[in-house]
Parts: sequence; structure tokens; C-alpha cells
Amino acid sequence: NAGVMQNPRHLVRRRGQEARLRCSPMKGHSHVYWYRQLPEEGLKFMVYLQKENIIDESGMPKERFSAEFPKEGPSILRIQQVVRGDSAAYFCASSPGQGMGDYTFGSGTRLTVV
Amino acid sequence: GEDVEQSLFLSVREGDSSVINCTYTDSSSTYLYWYKQEPGAGLQLLTYIFSNMDMKQDQRLTVLLNKKDKHLSLRIADTQTGDSAIYFCAEIRYGNNRLAFGKGNQVVVIP
Repeated sequence: NAGVMQNPRHLVRRRGQEARLRCSPMKGHSHVYWYRQLPEEGLKFMVYLQKENIIDESGMPKERFSAEFPKEGPSILRIQQVVRGDSAAYFCASSPGQGMGDYTFGSGTRLTVV
Repeated sequence: GEDVEQSLFLSVREGDSSVINCTYTDSSSTYLYWYKQEPGAGLQLLTYIFSNMDMKQDQRLTVLLNKKDKHLSLRIADTQTGDSAIYFCAEIRYGNNRLAFGKGNQVVVIP
């Protein structure tokens, strides 16, 4: 049973380019969450999605960031026109249901903006 | 606000016990978690405890929850060099799905 799969592991983008981060939840998990970890800090919540629905995006920056979890395929976190401050580790997690204990993270995508 | 606090650094000798502490502010927390993060790696779920429990033991790990003081601790028995990592506590609040994390506690195990 594969865990939460994220790709790519490392992503380098020049300022102004777009970054697309992908996440496939654990088998049997229908709830997906994205978190961002800045250097030397803990993780901060960004967005919570179920299939075809954004449930809570209160942690998402108002501009340039978007997320989706389509009916088929992985969840995508998209960052348009990246800036140096977007450099961080982006982690995806999944859970089987709302507020349930089994909340498992992927290995993350480390985005570097040059 | 989302205030989960942890001390920053702990050094421990191999074979000794480690205790990592965490305080949280919201009494409506339902689940409390401990995650381990090794350098350059993702977060590994170590254990979690439901808020109606006081203690949970899983092999070398013991979690203690003091709801009155909003204090959570993780004890690692017989600490090994492979336990060197950053440990994060996190909480989920009732009616919410987001995890609120502390800043982490770096544990360094000295052989």
C-alpha cells in the first residue's frame, strides 16, 4: 500500500515561471491537504480538498496560488509567476475522512526559485 | 489563534530516555500528533492520541496528555542514533481539518 506520493521531489524555477506540484493520496483516502514549510519553521496549512471540491482554502495566499483535486488524477498545487519568497518545502497529506486520526504526509516537494 | 509551542533543542545520550514537550492553547483539540522529520525528508507520523485519552504507549514511545494544563509530551525510551531528528507536535481542533504545528524540537542523540 503506497503512501502519499508527491512529485517532483525537487523543483527549480526561475522567477516568473509557473510551478506545478502533484500529490496522490493514500489508497482509501479521499481528503487531501497542502502545507508549506519555510526554512527553520513548522508547517503551515494552505488548503483542504476533496474530489472536485475545495473545502477550506483559508491558508492560501490570495494571488498566484491555486489548488485542485479532480475526479481523476492527482491533486495539483499551482503557483503562477513564482517569486523567491515561494521557495519552501510543500507537503501534501491525506486522511480517510474528516477530522480522522490517520493523517499521513508525503515526502514533499522542495521548490527553489532562482 | 493557532499557538502550539515547543522547546527548540534537546541533546541526549544514546540509551537514555528523551522527553519532548509541547503546549497548546485550544481546549477543543480532538487529536494530537507527534511527527518526526529527518533532514531533507518528509514528516513521519509517529503516533497520535485522541483527546479523551491520558496516555498512549507504542513500543519505545509514550505519549502523555494533560488536558487541564494543555500539555503534551513524547517520551522515547532507549534513544538510538536513528532517533536524531526534528519532532513536531500538532493538533486538530473539533470541527476543523487543519493541523496546527509547533515549530519543532530538534533532538540530537550522542553516541
